[in-house]
Amino acid sequence: NFMLTQPHSLSESPGKTVTISCTRGSGSIASNYVQWYQQRPGSAPRTVIYEDKLRPSGVPDRFSGSVDSSSNYASLTISGLKTEDEADYYCQSYDSSLYVIFGGGTKVTVL
Amino acid sequence: EVQLVESGGGLVQPGGSQRLSCVASGFTFRNYWMSWVRQAPGKGLEWVANIKLDGSEKYYVHSVKGRFTISRDNAKNTLYLQMNSLRAEDTAIYYCTRVVDFWSGYSDYWGQGTLVTVSS
Repeated sequence: NFMLTQPHSLSESPGKTVTISCTRGSGSIASNYVQWYQQRPGSAPRTVIYEDKLRPSGVPDRFSGSVDSSSNYASLTISGLKTEDEADYYCQSYDSSLYVIFGGGTKVTVL
Repeated sequence: EVQLVESGGGLVQPGGSQRLSCVASGFTFRNYWMSWVRQAPGKGLEWVANIKLDGSEKYYVHSVKGRFTISRDNAKNTLYLQMNSLRAEDTAIYYCTRVVDFWSGYSDYWGQGTLVTVSS
């Protein structure tokens, strides 16, 4: 069954780096692009990474995305953590039978 | 500036119906797939439905098939979601999104959402 699994929560100190994984349950992670959305409390989601590794304009280069085909997961890395990065992060991809799938979300806390 | 403004949410009884609207501006609406994504209170994001540029193709998550209908009026730049036979588990914020790429499901713009509460 096609699922995207993320860690429930991560925490790190300001200035440090945090990496969020998104593991595909079946099929290849490389089959379809992965997007990452940031959702701050009380706000709508916004894109921070699309097509595995591209950043929309306005998203700082502290955010980066990658895909590891051998281990079948995608990653979102946030370097130089700031308090404003504290949010929920969701990975998202596509499946031909289930269409659009989101991961369960990861709550990032900046200590 | 791209804007998506949802409306139509509110309190509805189980088994009832509700129609959501999303007015789009700042881009050529008829050139984009559109979708609805929902988020139950304290939960994650769940894709609900997609609709093609001209409305000729529609796709739904399994849990709403046969109960929800996505539609659009390109002359009015408006996306709709007709929700029938509502259940408590349909309680959520419903977001309207602009879909950049159907084959990846990538949505680049999201509205602020409208809350639907299904309760007696």
